[in-house]
Amino acid sequence: EIVLTQSPATLSLSPGERATLSCRASQSVSSYLAWYQQKPGQAPRLLIYDASNRATGIPARFSGSGSGTDFTLTISSLEPEDFAVYYCQQRSNWPPAYTFGQGTKLEIK
Amino acid sequence: QVQLVESGGGVVQPGGSLRLSCAASGFTFSSYGMHWVRQAPGKGLEWVAFIRYDGSNKYYADSVKGRFTISRDNSKNTLYLQMNSLRAEDTAVYYCAKDLWFRAFDIWGQGTMVTVSS
Repeated sequence: EIVLTQSPATLSLSPGERATLSCRASQSVSSYLAWYQQKPGQAPRLLIYDASNRATGIPARFSGSGSGTDFTLTISSLEPEDFAVYYCQQRSNWPPAYTFGQGTKLEIK
Repeated sequence: QVQLVESGGGVVQPGGSLRLSCAASGFTFSSYGMHWVRQAPGKGLEWVAFIRYDGSNKYYADSVKGRFTISRDNSKNTLYLQMNSLRAEDTAVYYCAKDLWFRAFDIWGQGTMVTVSS
């Protein structure tokens, strides 16, 4: 099973700052890496798929990069509504099995 | 608009059964694979099961294999999760989610809570 490790566990920043979140896989996941945002009491929302493609309706301040085992989610300038928990997710080759990272909590400093 | 609405959650005793439903609207349900994903209280996300658009293939997490069954009725635009032999560790919010090319989950329901407790 591929394990995804996110860092840091908690990131404390102020609105307007740049956020960089990391996701490392225990083995290569090619580019089948997605990122989600989850706010308290809400369902997750897809932000990025295939490592770098923004999902429909996602603002341009969110970007994803990486391949193989190391991936990054960048939020260029934090808005108040961006403070939430972020998860990365991958799909294994076949049969499909999906795993998530443990999450990074982005909190207001 | 595109919407997924789960129902069927509740409190059940260990060893009991429960069936969850997920009603889809706003898209051609019969053209897309569908997933169940769960989240234990205060914990992260765990994928549970996936069914292809026509129900021809089904895949499960090891933690639920042999106990849970995913199914769908395309005539009713509804996804199901039959959960048997429930355990305390199955306690979670269960989300249904629309598949994005076998790679991600692009639309999520609001979730339904399942509590396994005596």
